[in-house]
Amino acid sequence: DAGVIQSPRHEVTEMGQEVTLRCKPISGHNSLFWYRQTMMRGLELLIYFNNNVPIDDSGMPEDRFSAKMPNASFSTLKIQPSEPRDSAVYFCASSLAGGRDTQYFGPGTRLTVL
Amino acid sequence: AQSVTQPDIHITVSEGASLELRCNYSYGATPYLFWYVQSPGQGLQLLLKYFSGDTLVQGIKGFEAEFKRSQSSFNLRKPSVHWSDAAEYFCAAPDSGGSNYKLTFGKGTLLTVNP
Repeated sequence: DAGVIQSPRHEVTEMGQEVTLRCKPISGHNSLFWYRQTMMRGLELLIYFNNNVPIDDSGMPEDRFSAKMPNASFSTLKIQPSEPRDSAVYFCASSLAGGRDTQYFGPGTRLTVL
Repeated sequence: AQSVTQPDIHITVSEGASLELRCNYSYGATPYLFWYVQSPGQGLQLLLKYFSGDTLVQGIKGFEAEFKRSQSSFNLRKPSVHWSDAAEYFCAAPDSGGSNYKLTFGKGTLLTVNP
């Protein structure tokens, strides 16, 4: 299995620009998680999808962040407009059945907003 | 709210020495607990998990962890550390909000292995 695939691996953009991060979960997994990792706050859950439906988006920082999962094999996290404080590593993870099951993490996207 | 505490931010050990990384959690019911490892530039990889049953759990790469309810701990151990074990280690437990999907991760322990 290819594992969870994320793209791009690195993104450098300027403040105010739109950023789109992409994730392909492991085939057959019905749960998808987006996390953000920073030195200050550690690993934070941004949003959780189950069977392509957003279940919990309480971790999304503000309206500038949005996430979609149009089908079982693809999800996007969009930041518009981006700000320097959004600089972080963003991880996508998938699991067979929610948080009680093992979450498989992608390699992450390192985002730098100048 | 649920909290997961990893008291040691950074630990340095010599190759071949034993290792114990500490994790404490606050959770009313019997938790399910995880240890993940993150190598530089990589995502997190599951080392082991505890759901129920035997309190001593074996994982990959020679790691084990012991669930101690009385101490609210789930410490990770390895009898002999290899240089390739240098990485950051995260303990995780369910969020106390009642969801069956949300995990709280500790802040991590960075392990350095000296030759």
